[in-house]
Amino acid sequence: QVQLQESGPGLVKPSETLSLTCTVSGGSISRSSYYWGWIRQPPGKGLEWVGSIYYSGSTHYNPSLKSRVTISVDTSKNQFSLKLSSVTAADTAVYYCAAAPTDDYGRCWFDPWGQGTLVTVSS
Amino acid sequence: EIVMTQSPATLSVSPGERATLSCRASQSVSSNLAWYQQKPGQAPRLLIYGASTRATGIPARFSGSGSGTEFTLTISSLQSEDFAVYYCQQYNNWPPLFTFGPGTKVDIK
Repeated sequence: QVQLQESGPGLVKPSETLSLTCTVSGGSISRSSYYWGWIRQPPGKGLEWVGSIYYSGSTHYNPSLKSRVTISVDTSKNQFSLKLSSVTAADTAVYYCAAAPTDDYGRCWFDPWGQGTLVTVSS
Repeated sequence: EIVMTQSPATLSVSPGERATLSCRASQSVSSNLAWYQQKPGQAPRLLIYGASTRATGIPARFSGSGSGTEFTLTISSLQSEDFAVYYCQQYNNWPPLFTFGPGTKVDIK
């Protein structure tokens, strides 16, 4: 089964851009039956889907974050990345990357997940 | 946006007892519903997808049921390792707009 590992700065200043990378191992990011996603969880709170990407580069974002989010894929490195601009304290969260296997209709759930990385927005 | 609700917020259960968790969608999601388990300091783990299909390696004591707007996760006989927070997630929309429920915490009675 694939494994995922998030990496990136744990501290970001307000108004700056949060950048994270997810490295996929144990399988190709170019597999046709998978999307790849980012989900976040503020401390002590629930889960929020941030966005997803297909290996071809096709992306889908949470409308509440769409104006600030960019997800990209680098198939040569078996990685996908998240950029969230103009961050505020409300963006402080554990950010998870996850594989998203699809059914015959392209609908997908998240399995497995990376271990998550805490990103704190503070000056 | 489809809003997911879960009840109860907290469920206190004794080991060996049955636990029944509920998830409701604000509109029909057919059977496009997943359940996840999250333990403190860990990432969520997929338990169920397609409302009732157990993920690989998930014990048979976990079962999911329902369709449309009403769903249930049942843990037939709670083990010590099952005390955790459980989230439901719908994936019915296309283009994707995934939404999670607020979670049900299962703790020791």
